[in-house]
Amino acid sequence: AAGVIQSPRHLIKEKRETATLKCYPIPRHDTVYWYQQGPGQDPQFLISFYEKMQSDKGSIPDRFSAQQFSDYHSELNMSSLELGDSALYFCASSEGQGALTYEQYFGPGTRLTVT
Amino acid sequence: GDSVTQMEGPVTLSEEAFLTINCTYTATGYPSLFWYVQYPGEGLQLLLKATKADDKGSNKGFEATYRKETTSFHLEKGSVQVSDSAVYFCAPRGSEKLVFGKGTKLTVNP
Repeated sequence: AAGVIQSPRHLIKEKRETATLKCYPIPRHDTVYWYQQGPGQDPQFLISFYEKMQSDKGSIPDRFSAQQFSDYHSELNMSSLELGDSALYFCASSEGQGALTYEQYFGPGTRLTVT
Repeated sequence: GDSVTQMEGPVTLSEEAFLTINCTYTATGYPSLFWYVQYPGEGLQLLLKATKADDKGSNKGFEATYRKETTSFHLEKGSVQVSDSAVYFCAPRGSEKLVFGKGTKLTVNP
């Protein structure tokens, strides 16, 4: 079965640079979520989209922005990178907004290292 | 907002031992409850879920029962294997997002 695809899998950037992470949800999933997992930490919710509209927002820095496109893929744009942005970034997808019983299926993550 | 308190690790067990990882939550409304597992170097995988009171989620020998009266969703397995070594996250979902516990690292020795 098709899974959530994230690219790139690994990314190394320097401080103050920008980065773009991409997420391709499972086919027919219309909702995408972004989470950030710092080293040894639990995943923290950043932002979510349903039908190309932002549906919820968590602890996402103002330096970050995201959007969902007409084909439902999503991109997380990160600017003025800081050392503390080094983390594993997960994308998840599900079908149907507001259906709490629906599972979120996670991608393998993008490991961002800021030097 | 939603929150979860999860038993802190690390937990080290011998193969075939009994496992319990405690999880209690606070959430608005009537949340669904999930356990996710993260194997070393990998992403998050759904282990099991329960969507209403007294539901029991089960998968791969793991079980957890949705206890509304105690707001708990403890994870159990009767006989762990070395391959169960991973980090386990309890996650209630009372709104769009999942709220994860701090994670419990389990190491199972042969």
